Amino acid sequence: RKEVEQDPGPFNVPEGATVAFNCTYSNSASQSFFWYRQDCRKEPKLLMSVYSSGNEDGRFTAQLNRASQYISLLIRDSKLSDSATYLCVVNMFLFSGGYNKLIFGAGTRLAVHP
Amino acid sequence: DTEVTQTPKHLVMGMTNKKSLKCEQHMGHRAMYWYKQKAKKPPELMFVYSYEKLSINESVPSRFSPECPNSSLLNLHLHALQPEDSALYLCASSPSLGETQYFGPGTRLLVL
Repeated sequence: RKEVEQDPGPFNVPEGATVAFNCTYSNSASQSFFWYRQDCRKEPKLLMSVYSSGNEDGRFTAQLNRASQYISLLIRDSKLSDSATYLCVVNMFLFSGGYNKLIFGAGTRLAVHP
Repeated sequence: DTEVTQTPKHLVMGMTNKKSLKCEQHMGHRAMYWYKQKAKKPPELMFVYSYEKLSINESVPSRFSPECPNSSLLNLHLHALQPEDSALYLCASSPSLGETQYFGPGTRLLVL
């Protein structure tokens, strides 16, 4: 089982649609959670951190369920500029090495069309 | 300002060449990272520096040699690379280990 698993993509949606991405993680000792977006041939950029109480930033809402080890990202009113790959990222404590490490999901590609 | 800069943007090198990638941040971050990313794959951690000391080496081949001259700079020295080492090399920094990481634009490396 992969340490961080995401919905397979791509998601093709029209402008204005609401789209949800899901992610699960395997290590219950995970300490912090993020969504990054990565445009084609660019670096990952932090979209938002994810908190247990849920958090919202404009059209973006992130949720974390520690009991189910599940993270989600909801994008409302999709824009053409939202087209990108969305990476679910978990900061895990690795008992084998005794250190923290960011574990990236494989990413889900979103294509918003007119 | 959450800017991490990397040079060069692109690099083409032969298998016998020696080259270096550079990364710089002026955010006062004390942790810096090197990642390798192949097309359509997520970034893979290579090295982590914390307070200018190498903390983590993810079993990276010795043809990749990291260096942290000071708290703002991180280098990656390359020697005798293989074509399969062609990838996007990303640098990142965070205030300290385990905190949110900010990525530079990367160096796109092609090994011929």
